[in-house]
Amino acid sequence: RKEVEQDPGPFNVPEGATVAFNCTYSNSASQSFFWYRQDCRKEPKLLMSVYSSGNEDGRFTAQLNRASQYISLLIRDSKLSDSATYLCVVTRTGNNFNKFYFGSGTKLNVKP
Amino acid sequence: DTGVSQNPRHKITKRGQNVTFRCDPISEHNRLYWYRQTLGQGPEFLTYFQNEAQLEKSRLLSDRFSAERPKGSFSTLEIQRTEQGDSAMYLCASRIGVNTEAFFGQGTRLTVV
Repeated sequence: RKEVEQDPGPFNVPEGATVAFNCTYSNSASQSFFWYRQDCRKEPKLLMSVYSSGNEDGRFTAQLNRASQYISLLIRDSKLSDSATYLCVVTRTGNNFNKFYFGSGTKLNVKP
Repeated sequence: DTGVSQNPRHKITKRGQNVTFRCDPISEHNRLYWYRQTLGQGPEFLTYFQNEAQLEKSRLLSDRFSAERPKGSFSTLEIQRTEQGDSAMYLCASRIGVNTEAFFGQGTRLTVV
């Protein structure tokens, strides 16, 4: 089973729509959670960290459910510039390891 | 530019040749990672350094792959006897601290022909 699973999409939505992405992780010892954004043929860039209490940054809201091992990202009032692939990222740390696990990404296409 | 820097940005090589990529992390970041990404997939972990110590290597990293971080600053990733299946984007990331965000370089896109 993959460490992190995401719906690959693509999600095709009109401008102004609200869209939600989900992500599940398999290891309950996972410690930190992030959403990264990746534009075509570019490197991943941090969109937002995900906290247990949930957090919001403008039009973006992230939620974490540790009991269900589930992370979500909600984008309100979608813009054309939101078109990208959204990567769910989970980290786990041990004595000699410290890894990021990536989902395969969910592709979003926002259309005029 | 004080971000993560990778060189070269693109590399085309013939099958069987050796290639070496370089990563310069953000200067105060002691943790450095190499990832590989193919089209339509998320980045896959290759190896991790804390300072100059290589603490973990993925099983994806065959004997043809080696990585170093000799002084705990820049890192190199070498692939010997390249194969077509090595064609991918090789991403370097760095971070400071245990559960902080990672910052990625722009990647080196390798094409093996």
